[in-house]
Amino acid sequence: DAGITQSPRYKITETGRQVTLMCHQTWSHSYMFWYRQDLGHGLRLIYYSAAADITDKGEVPDGYVVSRSKTENFPLTLESATRSQTSVYFCASRAGTGETDTQYFGPGTRLTVL
Amino acid sequence: AQSVTQPDIHITVSEGASLELRCNYSYGATPYLFWYVQSPGQGLQLLLKYFSGDTLVQGIKGFEAEFKRSQSSFNLRKPSVHWSDAAEYFCAVDEYGNKLVFGAGTILRVKS
Repeated sequence: DAGITQSPRYKITETGRQVTLMCHQTWSHSYMFWYRQDLGHGLRLIYYSAAADITDKGEVPDGYVVSRSKTENFPLTLESATRSQTSVYFCASRAGTGETDTQYFGPGTRLTVL
Repeated sequence: AQSVTQPDIHITVSEGASLELRCNYSYGATPYLFWYVQSPGQGLQLLLKYFSGDTLVQGIKGFEAEFKRSQSSFNLRKPSVHWSDAAEYFCAVDEYGNKLVFGAGTILRVKS
């Protein structure tokens, strides 16, 4: 099915472990984004990508690494997970930056770091 | 840096009553403004957006929002709320044409 998918949907890990959250979109959108959602903060941008092999930091990038070797995939890696990274993570994509381009969101990944 | 303020963390309205959710932003130029809705356990769905032109924009599910430059506001309204509207609502502003900055969200409860 067309759209934007995230995996896993739920993940429990331990402090210090490496975790990778996957994001895949079938629209060939140029832009992709990773957000984290925490109570009282709304969604905050972690990293974004304007195209394959082009990534840039958002508001809260510390402790995260991204890559984008293919247009359709945008994995987010927590190299050494900390409890403060317990959150719900949303991936999003957008075709371009024009007025008709809307940002579409995936269903989210709920990550718990023990 | 741009910021978005949603002053109300929670709002409770009776089914059938009117609704207004407030959103204020800080941005130097004409912003691109959005309202998203998130049902429990779900991702975000776009309700409506403002880019330019008519300051009253219509969205899905009977929602509308009005852009008021003088007040730096983009409030969301619905004339008659349904129980299925219970969700969390996020206002967002587009930064530099490619990134969204979100408010903290307003949780809407609908009582029957």
